[in-house]
Amino acid sequence: EVQLVESGGGLVQPGGSLRLSCAASGFTFSSYSMNWVRQAPGKGLEWVSYISSSSSTIYYADSVKGRFTISRDNAKNSLYLQMNSLRDEDTAVYYCARDSRKIVGATLHDAFDIWGQGTMVTVSS
Amino acid sequence: AIRITQSPSSLSASTGDRVTITCRASQGISSYLAWYQQKPGKAPKLLIYAASTLQSGVPSRFSGSGSGTDFTLTISCLQSEDFATYYCQQYYSYPQTFGQGTKVEIK
Repeated sequence: EVQLVESGGGLVQPGGSLRLSCAASGFTFSSYSMNWVRQAPGKGLEWVSYISSSSSTIYYADSVKGRFTISRDNAKNSLYLQMNSLRDEDTAVYYCARDSRKIVGATLHDAFDIWGQGTMVTVSS
Repeated sequence: AIRITQSPSSLSASTGDRVTITCRASQGISSYLAWYQQKPGKAPKLLIYAASTLQSGVPSRFSGSGSGTDFTLTISCLQSEDFATYYCQQYYSYPQTFGQGTKVEIK
């Protein structure tokens, strides 16, 4: 079964750090680009970060740039998000999501076809 | 960043109704648009990608259309399991952005 399982969430004080993990199974993890997406309580979806299959290309949302670091270990089929200098507004459920790598006509489409169940991060004093 | 304006933010409908949700991008995104369904406490589920291509396993009552800046998700005959929140997403450029969501509620 194709699956993503996040872990590492919890309660942290403002200014603190947390490292999220996403364990992949059921597919060739090293062939797919990956993302982190978050959702604040009662709010919509916000894309956070992207990493290509070989880690050669990385992008961040402006809201987390300079504070969060995405990485992956293809040998361990794992994706990570190191979160530093956490703020109240970082409180959210964090999902890892796989780029779909679908071909339509001659075009590659990378919507998010597989999502984890999410891990809750609460930043509060 | 490309802004995505999704409407309506909520709607009430009955089982069997036809429902339409729209998304407008602040600039052209070709067909790099996806639609997701999210139920409370669950992760989003991909319904449609490339603006109009149905994801495997998704019922054919769901359809998508549009290109450029204007896009539509249609549910042709609403079923009880379709009551949920729907999001559109542009993946034309980074930062990728989502619409604000449309909550489909029971009338």
